[in-house]
Amino acid sequence: DAMVIQNPRYQVTQFGKPVTLSCSQTLNHNVMYWYQQKSSQAPKLLFHYYDKDFNNEADTPDNFQSRRPNTSFCFLDIRSPGLGDAAMYLCATSIDKHNEQFFGPGTRLTVL
Amino acid sequence: GQNIDQPTEMTATEGAIVQINCTYQTSGFNGLFWYQQHAGEAPTFLSYNVLDGLEEKGRFSSFLSRSKGYSYLLLKELQMKDSASYLCAVIDSNYQLIWGAGTKLIIKP
Repeated sequence: DAMVIQNPRYQVTQFGKPVTLSCSQTLNHNVMYWYQQKSSQAPKLLFHYYDKDFNNEADTPDNFQSRRPNTSFCFLDIRSPGLGDAAMYLCATSIDKHNEQFFGPGTRLTVL
Repeated sequence: GQNIDQPTEMTATEGAIVQINCTYQTSGFNGLFWYQQHAGEAPTFLSYNVLDGLEEKGRFSSFLSRSKGYSYLLLKELQMKDSASYLCAVIDSNYQLIWGAGTKLIIKP
């Protein structure tokens, strides 16, 4: 089945220790998104790629970076996680920007 | 600024009908989505409206009025598994998806 896969599902890291979250898709969608979602809040868009074209949201902290080496894979790098970065990180894809987004299961990040 | 308003929480009874409202003020409009999100899980797509009117899909229907900046999601024959958060999201003129904070729906037996 075509899908969006995120690894790991749960990630524990220490304050300041870099961490990388991964996302892959078999849908062959052009657009890939990274969201941060905290409890009872709306998903907050961090970045999106339209094919290889990278778009960084204005309020995304410099601590967060992303890579999309090919159509199928996208990575979220958190260089120096702080306690405030503990959240669910959601990867999503869509055929184009105006189409529905398909979400992966998310990675729940805990920062100790 | 851009804003989407939904009630924070609603309670309904199993077997009943519930309507979740969403109002939006955005810079332009290119469509409105409803997503369902169970606790600890990712959102899943429910419906998309871009023209005024009602879209029906099984037990779920979604309505849009662009002139009023208003949408609702109607859930019929409620089941316990419908307990979840329901998020309204609007695509603005820059094709950016603006999310509401979601409505937590609690279903009681």
